[in-house]
Amino acid sequence: SSELTQDPAVSVALGQTVRITCQGDSLRTYDASWYQQKPGQAPILVIYGKNNRPSGIPDRFSGSSSGNTASLTITGAQAEDEADYYCNSRDSSGNQLVFGTGTKVTVL
Amino acid sequence: QVQLVESGGGVVQPGRSLRLSCAASGFIFNSYGMHWVRQAPGKGLEWVAVIWYDGSNKYYADSVKGRFTISRDNSKNTLYVQMNSLRAEDTAIYYCARSVSGVSSSAMDVWGQGTTVTVSS
Repeated sequence: SSELTQDPAVSVALGQTVRITCQGDSLRTYDASWYQQKPGQAPILVIYGKNNRPSGIPDRFSGSSSGNTASLTITGAQAEDEADYYCNSRDSSGNQLVFGTGTKVTVL
Repeated sequence: QVQLVESGGGVVQPGRSLRLSCAASGFIFNSYGMHWVRQAPGKGLEWVAVIWYDGSNKYYADSVKGRFTISRDNSKNTLYVQMNSLRAEDTAIYYCARSVSGVSSSAMDVWGQGTTVTVSS
């Protein structure tokens, strides 16, 4: 199966912009989805497809992709955005799925 | 409201079996693919398995292939995973999650609260 690699941790000042990346060969073919997970809670889908936000997700969350890298951008980060973020996608076979290694976002 | 509720977790000895259930409500269950995803203590998310809306296709992570079986009963709005030959490394919170489509989309838009499985002697 394929792997999706994320930076372990990033920090962002309150109100500033942060981009979280996810790298993997399968991203050349398949779209990534992005999830937010706070301690003790189940993950929440924040971005999927080309750049789709589920109902209730603030528009400060956006997604993009280029080559083997997918990105999640938080524009104007808020204190409540402090969480772990995971990407996922199909693997190269197209039938299995894989999650990224996760990025811990700290809002300063 | 749209809801998924897992049950069946617990403490089990290595080599034994366990079946988890996920009861769905608030949406047309037989229109959506369904996933199991797990998270070991202090670790990241790991996809486990997916089943299409009609049960016609099932796919598994290599780590559970041959040991776990995903199934669904659309008449009961319930998803299952039968876990056999359990190992210590299967210890995790197990989440069920709804695919955004009827097949195995990578996007999962509804999650349960999780049920904990501990494999220990």
